Amino acid sequence: QVQLQESGPGLVKPSETLSLTCTVSGGSISSHYWTWIRQPPGKGLEWIGNLYYSGSTNYNPTLKSRVTISVDMSKNQFSLKLSSVTAADTAVYYCAREGAIAAAGGYYYGMDVWGQGTTVSVSS
Amino acid sequence: DIQMTQSPSSLSASVGDRVTITCRASQNISTYLNWYQQKPGKAPKLLIYAASNLQSGVPSRFSGSGSGTDFTLTISTLQLEDFATYYCQQSYNTPRTFGQGTKVEIK
Repeated sequence: QVQLQESGPGLVKPSETLSLTCTVSGGSISSHYWTWIRQPPGKGLEWIGNLYYSGSTNYNPTLKSRVTISVDMSKNQFSLKLSSVTAADTAVYYCAREGAIAAAGGYYYGMDVWGQGTTVSVSS
Repeated sequence: DIQMTQSPSSLSASVGDRVTITCRASQNISTYLNWYQQKPGKAPKLLIYAASNLQSGVPSRFSGSGSGTDFTLTISTLQLEDFATYYCQQSYNTPRTFGQGTKVEIK
């Protein structure tokens, strides 16, 4: 079955760029939406943005000026870049597949496969 | 953005209890509503999609209902493994938004 694995530095300095990669195994990245979500310590889930395999993207307006999500089809990977980070960006970062699920005569999207999450701390 | 509001924020219950969690959307989202379960240190898990459809492999004691702006997640007979935090999430549009979570604790 499809599995996701996040990778990247666990520590980033303030004002620098956070870069994470999600590797998709057991299936092709050439379908579905691919998503980044984060969870600050002790808090709830925040949607960062998603990408369709074709390359089209949607971003959370609160982060849009700092976020880039991209895909590398040859490696079956997608990536997150978050620039000008501060301590408020310290969180567990998850990648997830947002699959289209047939129901009630239509298609509905749900995050049905998740990576295990990676902790990123922003500190000097 | 669509705001999702869950209630209660936390609850205490015993094994065998019936538990109900409510989620309200700030605008009509039809049935574009998902529920997730998250245990400490783990990634969330999709339980219910399209408001009332059980994801494959999820026990039938979980059920969802609602449409428009008001939704409910029900656990018919609470089991030990169900103590966790539950989140609703709208998939009506982007940005996707989550409720703040409901922590189900052992009484």
